[in-house]
Amino acid sequence: DIQMTQSPSFLSASVGDRVTINCKASQNINRYLNWYQQKLGEAPKLLIYNANSLQTGIPSRFSGSGSGTDFTLTISSLQPEDVATYFCLQHNSWPMYTFGAGTKLELK
Amino acid sequence: EVQLVESGGGLVQPGRSLKLSCAASGFTFSNYGMHWIRQAPTKGLEWVASISPSGGSTYYRDSVKGRFTISRDNAKSTLYLQMDSLRSEDTATYYCATDFGYPLAYWGQGTLVTVSS
Repeated sequence: DIQMTQSPSFLSASVGDRVTINCKASQNINRYLNWYQQKLGEAPKLLIYNANSLQTGIPSRFSGSGSGTDFTLTISSLQPEDVATYFCLQHNSWPMYTFGAGTKLELK
Repeated sequence: EVQLVESGGGLVQPGRSLKLSCAASGFTFSNYGMHWIRQAPTKGLEWVASISPSGGSTYYRDSVKGRFTISRDNAKSTLYLQMDSLRSEDTATYYCATDFGYPLAYWGQGTLVTVSS
């Protein structure tokens, strides 16, 4: 099974900060990685698919990068509405998807 | 607008059964793979089961093989998860998700399953 190691598990940042979250795959997954945002009590929302493609309707302050085993989600200027848990998903091995453990993002 | 609405969760005793449903709308259900994902309290997300668009192929994580059955009714645009021989470790919020557009592009709000005596 492909393991996904996500870091950090918790992040505190101020409005306007640049925020980065990382995921590392245990083996090459090419660009088959998605990023999601989950707010309390809500369904997960797809932000980035295939490592660096922005889902329709998602603000451009969100971006993704990486390929192979190392991936990054960046929020260029943190907004109050970005408080949520973020997690990555590898879909290289359809349908045996695996997820990162999640990063809880809070405002400082 | 894509909508996935899960139902059927609740409190159930260990060893008993429960059947979850996921009603889909806003896309051509029969064209896309569907999945069940779960999240135990204070834990991460875990893929549970998947089914091909026709329903002819199904896949399960090892810990639920032989106990859970994923199925779909394309005429009703509905996904199911029959859960038998439930264990305390199956306690979680269960989400359905679709590959419409991209893998796991859309998720439902989830339904809570609690296995306890």
